[in-house]
Amino acid sequence: NAGVIQTPRHKVTGKGQEATLWCEPISGHSAVFWYRQTIVQGLEFLTYFRNQAPIDDSGMPKERFSAQMPNQSHSTLKIQSTQPQDSAVYLCASSRGTTSQNTLYFGAGTRLSVL
Amino acid sequence: GDSVTQTEGPVTVSESESLIINCTYSATSIAYPNLFWYVRYPGEGLQLLLKVITAGQKGSSRGFEATYNKETTSFHLQKASVQESDSAVYYCALGYLPGTGSNRLTFGKGTKFSLIP
Repeated sequence: NAGVIQTPRHKVTGKGQEATLWCEPISGHSAVFWYRQTIVQGLEFLTYFRNQAPIDDSGMPKERFSAQMPNQSHSTLKIQSTQPQDSAVYLCASSRGTTSQNTLYFGAGTRLSVL
Repeated sequence: GDSVTQTEGPVTVSESESLIINCTYSATSIAYPNLFWYVRYPGEGLQLLLKVITAGQKGSSRGFEATYNKETTSFHLQKASVQESDSAVYYCALGYLPGTGSNRLTFGKGTKFSLIP
């Protein structure tokens, strides 16, 4: 089991460019979460899918951010017109079940740098 | 919303000494939350260290312990004798059962721990 796989590990974009981050959850896991980590804010929840359906996107900035899960083997987080304040480590996690009691398995993260 | 506050690091202690990382929480749901400690070792991803889902209970793993205290809304992490391999960043988190609150976890900002060289 390779764990949760996130690609790329590092991404550098210019201000105004688009960034797409990829996540491959652990096979058989039904829940996928996206978090953003910065030194100032710590780990912030962005969005959550259950059985590929979007369940809670209350943490997503309303503009420019979108997430999809087109199939059970991958999810994407897209940031349009990236801004310097979007620079962060974006973490994807999956869990076998859909309750908070189920262990979250995190990927290594994608470090996004917006110049 | 929910919030988790933990010891601001970095925290350093000598090998074989005791470690305590404080964690207090504020929960918006009337239901008691589930509480977790996650850890990130150098070069590795964030992983679960221990969890407690019932108030008053204690969780333990790898020599660490944490007791869920609903009166003081605390979940402090302790270890009696630390070693080099415990050097990591520790995160306290809370979540809920379905129907009683959000399924997501709310994390503290993390506490970096390392041994005094």
